[in-house]
Amino acid sequence: EAGVAQSPRYKIIEKRQSVAFWCNPISGHATLYWYQQILGQGPKLLIQFQNNGVVDDSQLPKDRFSAERLKGVDSTLKIQPAKLEDSAVYLCASSYVKGSYNEQFFGPGTRLTVL
Amino acid sequence: AQSVTQPDIHITVSEGASLELRCNYSYGATPYLFWYVQSPGQGLQLLLKYFSGDTLVQGIKGFEAEFKRSQSSFNLRKPSVHWSDAAEYFCAVGGNDMRFGAGTRLTVKP
Repeated sequence: EAGVAQSPRYKIIEKRQSVAFWCNPISGHATLYWYQQILGQGPKLLIQFQNNGVVDDSQLPKDRFSAERLKGVDSTLKIQPAKLEDSAVYLCASSYVKGSYNEQFFGPGTRLTVL
Repeated sequence: AQSVTQPDIHITVSEGASLELRCNYSYGATPYLFWYVQSPGQGLQLLLKYFSGDTLVQGIKGFEAEFKRSQSSFNLRKPSVHWSDAAEYFCAVGGNDMRFGAGTRLTVKP
């Protein structure tokens, strides 16, 4: 079974530029998550989708971050404009809806450096 | 609000020695608890999880963890560490709304 795919793996941009990350979840997984992992910290949930609807985006900085999951499969996370403090690894995870807990499977992440 | 504390930022152990990584949590109800491992450049891999029942949980790669409600702890253990265990370890609490600790980096000395 293929895992969660993310691209690009690395991205370097200047501050005030825009950037987009792509995630393809495991086939059949209805729930998709985006996490931000700053160096030296644990992952922090940015947004959670259930199919193509947003379940939780309370920690998403909506003035500069946006995410979509058209057709309930792939997802993109965009930052516009980027700030220095956005330098982090952006992890995508997906889970299959079953019962009250859904094990999350993580992709390899996209490492963003903002100069 | 739920939260996780991993008191040790970095631990070094010799290969073959035993390992214990500490995790303390704060949660209003019976927690779902997890340990993940992250190797450099990789995503997180689930080692084990606790939902209910037996407080000693067995995971992959020879790891186990014990849930102690009275101490709000969920420490990870391994009786004999291998060089390949060197990685970052994260404790997490919650379910769909998961909170991660800051992680413990494990270095294994030959």
